[in-house]
Amino acid sequence: DAGITQSPRHKVTETGTPVTLRCHQTENHRYMYWYRQDPGHGLRLIHYSYGVKDTDKGEVSDGYSVSRSKTEDFLLTLESATSSQTSVYFCAILRPAGTSGVVDTQYFGPGTRLTVL
Amino acid sequence: GEDVEQSLFLSVREGDSSVINCTYTDSSSTYLYWYKQEPGAGLQLLTYIFSNMDMKQDQRLTVLLNKKDKHLSLRIADTQTGDSAIYFCAGGSQGNLIFGKGTKLSVKP
Repeated sequence: DAGITQSPRHKVTETGTPVTLRCHQTENHRYMYWYRQDPGHGLRLIHYSYGVKDTDKGEVSDGYSVSRSKTEDFLLTLESATSSQTSVYFCAILRPAGTSGVVDTQYFGPGTRLTVL
Repeated sequence: GEDVEQSLFLSVREGDSSVINCTYTDSSSTYLYWYKQEPGAGLQLLTYIFSNMDMKQDQRLTVLLNKKDKHLSLRIADTQTGDSAIYFCAGGSQGNLIFGKGTKLSVKP
């Protein structure tokens, strides 16, 4: 258990509405990530953060924004949700080598299933 | 950039060995990882291997790395029904990973 929670766990929304997903960690790690998982595509990186107010884009960042005002929270916002953003969203943290193992390792939250109608 | 390829499906009988294969393009990946995802859950780290190793064994799991061919495999000995899941390989460095699409392992009793 890497102390990662995601909220909400399930959400159904309508096209054009804003949606914010929250990732919370209890271990104060510097790096946090947002991925989406879709059949046939595996996991794709949306955005990541390397510290408070420090974020960068991933492979599929269009239509998404992120914010990190506190170490423990990483928020993913869909400004105007579209049906193509129906997906399962996973948050991850990076445990650096030395904290619990010999390699940098990503640990994942339980996921948020988002449906955009 | 890095690309990671996996076959999408594998079906085995309980008690047999399973071998899940993965190829990658970026030879600068420092570590290569295997993750397991059970239905409705997040990804769990199974094991990893340093890019300068050829093999790593961890109980029923054996990871083989062929750097020349950029080929990674995960062997699960004595496969059980509880091993049914999606298995992802991933490569990268400095915390940034590229994941394969995942191999769905089905174990028949």
